[in-house]
Amino acid sequence: GAVVSQHPSWVICKSGTSVKIECRSLDFQATTMFWYRQFPKQSLMLMATSNEGSKATYEQGVEKDKFLINHASLTLSTLTVTSAHPEDSSFYICSARDYRASGGWSPLHFGNGTRLTVT
Amino acid sequence: QKEVEQNSGPLSVPEGAIASLNCTYSDRGSQSFFWYRQYSGKSPELIMSIYSNGDKEDGRFTAQLNKASQYVSLLIRDSQPSDSATYLCAALIKAAGNKLTFGGGTRVLVKP
Repeated sequence: GAVVSQHPSWVICKSGTSVKIECRSLDFQATTMFWYRQFPKQSLMLMATSNEGSKATYEQGVEKDKFLINHASLTLSTLTVTSAHPEDSSFYICSARDYRASGGWSPLHFGNGTRLTVT
Repeated sequence: QKEVEQNSGPLSVPEGAIASLNCTYSDRGSQSFFWYRQYSGKSPELIMSIYSNGDKEDGRFTAQLNKASQYVSLLIRDSQPSDSATYLCAALIKAAGNKLTFGGGTRVLVKP
């Protein structure tokens, strides 16, 4: 099946610093990737849709200047949390849809997630 | 009203029994539905996808879709302790631009 790789799996950073998270589709090309955030005991919330070669689409309430998304190739999207603060501590998960499977309705495959802790 | 709703649980079932999970969705135009399993501290993994009314079986899992009632369910037969996890129902919500929207998840505990 489709494999999505996410790195790092966990990171601890100091308040005010920036953290970059990478998401790669390993065996398929992904023109679109999705970034989710999950706080403890809550469900996944879509943050933004990453589009290869164009600007990301952010969900309401998500600051685009704080969560920078770059989708420079068909297999790589990055999320940079800028000037991180303790309230940004969360589980960040990327996902992509393998359109080879069944076109536009194919399910999302998730990376293993990145647990960010801001001290 | 939430777009995808699930009972948060926990749903406690004895080992070997059938676990029955339910999910309702608000957008009648939604066409694609998915069940994901998420272990604590891990990312979700796809269990089933279902697009047509009726039942779809895969091993010990059966997904059921009833578009008229806007209802999706998941049955886990012969439940095992390793099935203990949170199960997320997700739908491609047409009214939200076909974005995959998740329910809050149902926590399942399978007791030996």
